[in-house]
Amino acid sequence: QKEVEQNSGPLSVPEGAIASLNCTYSDRGSQSFFWYRQYSGKSPELIMSIYSNGDKEDGRFTAQLNKASQYVSLLIRDSQPSDSATYLCAVEDFGNEKLTFGTGTRLTIIP
Amino acid sequence: DVKVTQSSRYLVKRTGEKVFLECVQDMDHENMFWYRQDPGLGLRLIYFSYDVKMKEKGDIPEGYSVSREKKERFSLILESASTNQTSMYLCASPQTRTGSTEAFFGQGTRLTVV
Repeated sequence: QKEVEQNSGPLSVPEGAIASLNCTYSDRGSQSFFWYRQYSGKSPELIMSIYSNGDKEDGRFTAQLNKASQYVSLLIRDSQPSDSATYLCAVEDFGNEKLTFGTGTRLTIIP
Repeated sequence: DVKVTQSSRYLVKRTGEKVFLECVQDMDHENMFWYRQDPGLGLRLIYFSYDVKMKEKGDIPEGYSVSREKKERFSLILESASTNQTSMYLCASPQTRTGSTEAFFGQGTRLTVV
């Protein structure tokens, strides 16, 4: 069974600082990686996807992928209180849209 | 706007009851998924369907079945509800465009079995 692992946290970061979230995965053949954000009582929503080694930036968010080490990370710059949520790492099975999720990391931004 | 709708936000059922959770998507997607979410365990895949009347077991199918008679509707069935099936249930329908996949989730059904 494929595994996706995350530190469950909670992770507390001061407002304006950089939040760093990490994820490792077991299937070396995985090709597609995602970060979902889930506010308390709400459903997950996609915030970043990454498919190639290296960095991908979107506004304050940067996803990083290292396939050799089998890890994915998410950096949130200039953290805001509205970034307080649980962040879920997900890995897609090749070609069938099936996602395996990590347990999520709860992030709290402290004003 | 993409929309995935689950029939109930909250449900309370008794042990042994047969329970139906309904999910409808308006995006004409092939694939639909049922997950359950529990504290400390994350989202775990119960069943998925890649076409009408087609289904495959996910990681934790025991105690569940599914039905997909129409493309837009995917139902999760608890044949005989038990207290360990108390959980948040999330339906998802993914869409792949220009090589990028996004899963759209319903609002979730919080099921309590007493």
